[in-house]
Amino acid sequence: AQTVTQSQPEMSVQEAETVTLSCTYDTSESDYYLFWYKQPPSRQMILVIRQEAYKQQNATENRFSVNFQKAAKSFSLKISDSQLGDAAMYFCAYRSALEYGNKLVFGAGTILRVKS
Amino acid sequence: DGGITQSPKYLFRKEGQNVTLSCEQNLNHDAMYWYRQDPGQGLRLIYYSQIVNDFQKGDIAEGYSVSREKKESFPLTVTSAQKNPTAFYLCASSITGSPSYEQYFGPGTRLTVT
Repeated sequence: AQTVTQSQPEMSVQEAETVTLSCTYDTSESDYYLFWYKQPPSRQMILVIRQEAYKQQNATENRFSVNFQKAAKSFSLKISDSQLGDAAMYFCAYRSALEYGNKLVFGAGTILRVKS
Repeated sequence: DGGITQSPKYLFRKEGQNVTLSCEQNLNHDAMYWYRQDPGQGLRLIYYSQIVNDFQKGDIAEGYSVSREKKESFPLTVTSAQKNPTAFYLCASSITGSPSYEQYFGPGTRLTVT
């Protein structure tokens, strides 16, 4: 079974600065997808960014980018020019491309605090 | 507007009672999911359904039951057999056909059992 580990329970960043959230995963598969979801205080889950394992190029969405290291099974999220609205719980998630059901396996989450 | 509705937002029950959490979507998605969220543990999959009248157990199905009689609806029943039912419950839906498709989440229901 696949597992996802987020080793940072909590992180802080100054407004306008850059922060990186870590995520590692364990799988024996070669074809899969990785996601970062954001859960603000409203608790509404929002997709931040996704990465296909077969793509070497790191995904980017505006101020959010990932560092995908397939051999190391690492998938970190970089937030540039942090804003107060970025304060939230961030979850890393794995999805197999082969298993039935397109299920997501989540890490335990990282709380991001943004200081003004 | 298309989306996922979960009701109610907060639910209180006495121990020993079954309770049903509602999840409705108007996104025309085939797949629907139920997750449980506890502090420090992320989201864990309870049940999922890829098509009407069919569903599968997730990682923590014991003490829960579901039905999928309509494409739009995927209610979750928390039975008295669930030992620690107090948690935040999230429903999600997705298009089927590719694992790259995003799962869309509802606003969640906070269940408290005393």
